[in-house]
Amino acid sequence: DTEVTQTPKHLVMGMTNKKSLKCEQHMGHRAMYWYKQKAKKPPELMFVYSYEKLSINESVPSRFSPECPNSSLLNLHLHALQPEDSALYLCASSQDLTVSNQPQHFGDGTRLSIL
Amino acid sequence: AQSVTQLDSQVPVFEEAPVELRCNYSSSVSVYLFWYVQYPNQGLQLLLKYLSGSTLVKSINGFEAEFNKSQTSFHLRKPSVHISDTAEYFCAVTPYSSASKIIFGSGTRLSIRP
Repeated sequence: DTEVTQTPKHLVMGMTNKKSLKCEQHMGHRAMYWYKQKAKKPPELMFVYSYEKLSINESVPSRFSPECPNSSLLNLHLHALQPEDSALYLCASSQDLTVSNQPQHFGDGTRLSIL
Repeated sequence: AQSVTQLDSQVPVFEEAPVELRCNYSSSVSVYLFWYVQYPNQGLQLLLKYLSGSTLVKSINGFEAEFNKSQTSFHLRKPSVHISDTAEYFCAVTPYSSASKIIFGSGTRLSIRP
């Protein structure tokens, strides 16, 4: 069982819908991450939060909006997505952003399909 | 900048045979090395990590990897594979200077034949 929980596991949405992906961890980690993974490819980093503040935004389109309401939760709000946004979205966490407190722990992901 | 090369995109082996998944990296700074495994329809799980100390690291399920600084390699090995080892394996590095970033290799799909 993974210690990083992501909901929902699957999501199908139209291009005009608004939905949110949720991620939760109770390991006391203070760094949380969103990744996008296309089929047969490695994960690509989207956002990094450190102590609930956005630390890194890897030039992600504004139709993806992250939110970190507290140290255990990470959300990804979706609006007006495109078919090419269909992918597996992975959440991860680590103790913090120091190298000695890696590695990152991953959830099982949300598989997103855009119609 | 860092890069990770996994030369083999697919490795088919028979059950109980040995396997080696190759990983080479390039970096001008010190890095932390990882192997992650992704089973079908799941997220990534940490298999092994190397930061310092003994260059041979072992996992609880029989995998091991050896850090070779001169060859900038971190190959993954298992002496006898099982059907349950069928998965995608990602080699990755994190630079000491930017611990939030993981640079992944392109992955190796290990398929086990009975």
